Amino acid sequence: NAGVTQTPKFQVLKTGQSMTLQCAQDMNHNSMYWYRQDPGMGLRLIYYSASEGTTDKGEVPNGYNVSRLNKREFSLRLESAAPSQTSVYFCASTPDLAGGYYEQYFGPGTRLTVT
Amino acid sequence: DQQVKQNSPSLSVQEGRISILNCDYTNSMFDYFLWYKKYPAEGPTFLISISSIKDKNEDGRFTVFLNKSAKHLSLHIVPSQPGDSAVYFCAGGGQKLVFGQGTRLTINP
Repeated sequence: NAGVTQTPKFQVLKTGQSMTLQCAQDMNHNSMYWYRQDPGMGLRLIYYSASEGTTDKGEVPNGYNVSRLNKREFSLRLESAAPSQTSVYFCASTPDLAGGYYEQYFGPGTRLTVT
Repeated sequence: DQQVKQNSPSLSVQEGRISILNCDYTNSMFDYFLWYKKYPAEGPTFLISISSIKDKNEDGRFTVFLNKSAKHLSLHIVPSQPGDSAVYFCAGGGQKLVFGQGTRLTINP
């Protein structure tokens, strides 16, 4: 099992450019998440998807869109990148079965720089 | 508002001694608490969790304590080893998690 995979690992964008960050998991998990990590801020939730076909906003959704393409894949899109979106982006997934909570499994991250 | 706070940005401990990392939260609706460990250039990895109905959970060298009345969570690592040097994040919530800012732990030989 590869777990949670993310592409690309690194990306440099110019202000105003767009891009999509890809995430896939092979653990048959129901829920998937996108976080950003900034120095001194911990991980902040951008969007999440509780199941295939559903998405909801997290703490910092402005400037982002997401697509839950199928149970395995959850993509994050920046339509018009801004320097404030320079960050490390992590995707995570969890089984989220009824009746309990489970830990989230994280991908290796995408380091994005917007100039 | 910061619902989960780790007030110590860094902690230095001698190898073999106990490391204690602390975390405070404000949301009394949180059902589930976790600790994650993060090495540079890697994703966070799950360490240990505790349900809000418990006050202690142990897993090998790692123990998490939960004090609901104080809204306080702590992670004890005994004995500390050089490989424990990393950034540690606490998190609380349920289906959605809120993370603290992290504490960088350095274990000195």
